[in-house]
Amino acid sequence: GQNIDQPTEMTATEGAIVQINCTYQTSGFNGLFWYQQHAGEAPTFLSYNVLDGLEEKGRFSSFLSRSKGYSYLLLKELQMKDSASYLCAVKHNTGGFKTIFGAGTRLFVKA
Amino acid sequence: DVKVTQSSRYLVKRTGEKVFLECVQDMDHENMFWYRQDPGLGLRLIYFSYDVKMKEKGDIPEGYSVSREKKERFSLILESASTNQTSMYLCATGEGSYEQYFGPGTRLTVT
Repeated sequence: GQNIDQPTEMTATEGAIVQINCTYQTSGFNGLFWYQQHAGEAPTFLSYNVLDGLEEKGRFSSFLSRSKGYSYLLLKELQMKDSASYLCAVKHNTGGFKTIFGAGTRLFVKA
Repeated sequence: DVKVTQSSRYLVKRTGEKVFLECVQDMDHENMFWYRQDPGLGLRLIYFSYDVKMKEKGDIPEGYSVSREKKERFSLILESASTNQTSMYLCATGEGSYEQYFGPGTRLTVT
C-alpha cells in the first residue's frame, strides 16, 4: 500500500526554525518532493530529494532517509509569509511518474 | 516560466449535469495530471496522461473521464455531476521525474 503521514498543523514564531516531518510507506519509490501552498493558491515546488542526505536551498532545507522512509523540511529565519501548507509528495518510478501527496501540514507563523 | 491555465476559477453546476474542466499548458510537457483537493484529504490523483490519447487511472477515477487530443490540452469530464464531486480541481504538468507545475485551480460546486 501507499501511505504518507505528516502533522496536520504546526505553529512557530517569526525568526525561529521549524521542522516539518514526513514519513512514507510506498513501493516503487523514485524521489520525494516538498511543495508550498498558500491559502487559495496552487502548490509551488520547493525541493526534490532522490538520494539520502540534506539539500539546502536558502532558508529552506530538505532531508531524506530512504531506508527509514522519512523526510523533513526545515525552515529557518521564519517570516510571516511562510504561513502556508507544506505538502510532502512521493514520486513513483512507474509510467507517467505518478505522484502521491500527503494531506499537508498547515504552518502558522506568529509575530 | 511554465504557464498552466484552467478554464474557470469558479464553477457552479447542478446535479446530473455534464461538466467539462479544461487545462492548457504552454511548455510542451509530456505528462499532465488532474487532482482534486479536499480539506484533510490533500491532493488525490484522478487521472493522468503521459502522451496524446494516452490516459491512466489515478486513485479516484470513478465518476470522471478525461480526454487528451492535443499535447497541450487535458480535459476532465464529469459525466453526471454529483454533490460529492464538489471540490477544488487542480491540473498539473511535468516532464519525466521532475516537479509538477500546477494551474490556479477550479473550485466546483455541485448543487
